[in-house]
Amino acid sequence: EPEVTQTPSHQVTQMGQEVILRCVPISNHLYFYWYRQILGQKVEFLVSFYNNEISEKSEIFDDQFSVERPDGSNFTLKIRSTKLEDSAMYFCASTRMGGSYNEQFFGPGTRLTVL
Amino acid sequence: EDQVTQSPEALRLQEGESSSLNCSYTVSGLRGLFWYRQDPGKGPEFLFTLYSAGEEKEKERLKATLTKKESFLHITAPKPEDSATYLCAVRNKLIFGTGTRLQVFP
Repeated sequence: EPEVTQTPSHQVTQMGQEVILRCVPISNHLYFYWYRQILGQKVEFLVSFYNNEISEKSEIFDDQFSVERPDGSNFTLKIRSTKLEDSAMYFCASTRMGGSYNEQFFGPGTRLTVL
Repeated sequence: EDQVTQSPEALRLQEGESSSLNCSYTVSGLRGLFWYRQDPGKGPEFLFTLYSAGEEKEKERLKATLTKKESFLHITAPKPEDSATYLCAVRNKLIFGTGTRLQVFP
């Protein structure tokens, strides 16, 4: 069964450093998402991406964040200058069709620890 | 503002003891309510989509129902492997509740 994959599973970085989190969505999916979950808190929407551009973003997704689909399979989230409060689990999700009715499939997550 | 509230926060059940989890929502024009299961340190795993009030979906020991204001996830005769956090969400930029952490003891 196809699934979303994410690398690395755990990333440790120093405050102020840039990190890139990688995701390979399910192959015939067209809509891609990033979410984060701070330990003990709810899963929060960051950004949605379709047709090589951002379709929606949350207040969390400020200028320090960017997303890219550099090739036909990868979808990346870059944090330019990490802060302590960026420490969280980051989940990538994808869905075949957009719109509110379509279930999203999540990857296993990347645990980001900022020291 | 769209909002999702889940209760209880935590639920401890004996194996075989059926119960229900609640998800109350406030959203302008519901276009799908989603249930997910999340195991510790893992990503949410899709369970159900409910589209309109009155709809029900079933999968093994789980049954999800939907009204105009809330959704219930009924767990019948749970087993220890059903222990997880159950999340509900609305909208395509999924707005999640805080989840119900379910523990089932043998």
